[in-house]
Amino acid sequence: GIQVEQSPPDLILQEGANSTLRCNFSDSVNNLQWFHQNPWGQLINLFYIPSGTKQNGRLSATTVATERYSLLYISSSQTTDSGVYFCAVDGGTYKYIFGTGTRLKVLA
Amino acid sequence: GAGVSQSPSNKVTEKGKDVELRCDPISGHTALYWYRQSLGQGLEFLIYFQGNSAPDKSGLPSDRFSAERTGGSVSTLTIQRTQQEDSAVYLCASSLVATIQSSTDTQYFGPGTRLTVL
Repeated sequence: GIQVEQSPPDLILQEGANSTLRCNFSDSVNNLQWFHQNPWGQLINLFYIPSGTKQNGRLSATTVATERYSLLYISSSQTTDSGVYFCAVDGGTYKYIFGTGTRLKVLA
Repeated sequence: GAGVSQSPSNKVTEKGKDVELRCDPISGHTALYWYRQSLGQGLEFLIYFQGNSAPDKSGLPSDRFSAERTGGSVSTLTIQRTQQEDSAVYLCASSLVATIQSSTDTQYFGPGTRLTVL
């Protein structure tokens, strides 16, 4: 099956700093999504991005499908950005495969 | 309600007992997913329902796990003869359709049920 790897596994930032999170996947995928899981466990979809670039406020994402990776950019980080960021891919079977996540902590 | 709801939010049970976890998807969503998240880990796919089609049960870890979806809406995940390794957060998600092709079709997650098996 498709393997999904995320890096870094852990990240600590000072408020206001920028960061880049990476998701590598081992095979072609039909779609890719980024999720944020807040400290209370709620998962929220950030981006549906099987290819190309999207931006939403301080967050943006880029997927290069031909090279099998996606990047999530967080600019001017805030303490509310803390939590775990997951990417999830669907290889065409509707069984979304989640990466192990990047745990982000933003310090005030 | 507007979102996916799950009940109970917490469940503590003794090893060997059966448990039932409930998921109410967003009204009109035809696809429903169950995932399991062990402490500090990513999400593990368990089962997927699409409309009235037969569910994809390929992610269920053992025959002690089963799930049903009545009337294309509410779903129940049942774990029989619970074991300590079943302790985890069980998450349910729904989406408008299974073939997610745009951001409007994305998966919406419930708050989860935290299961603790003593």
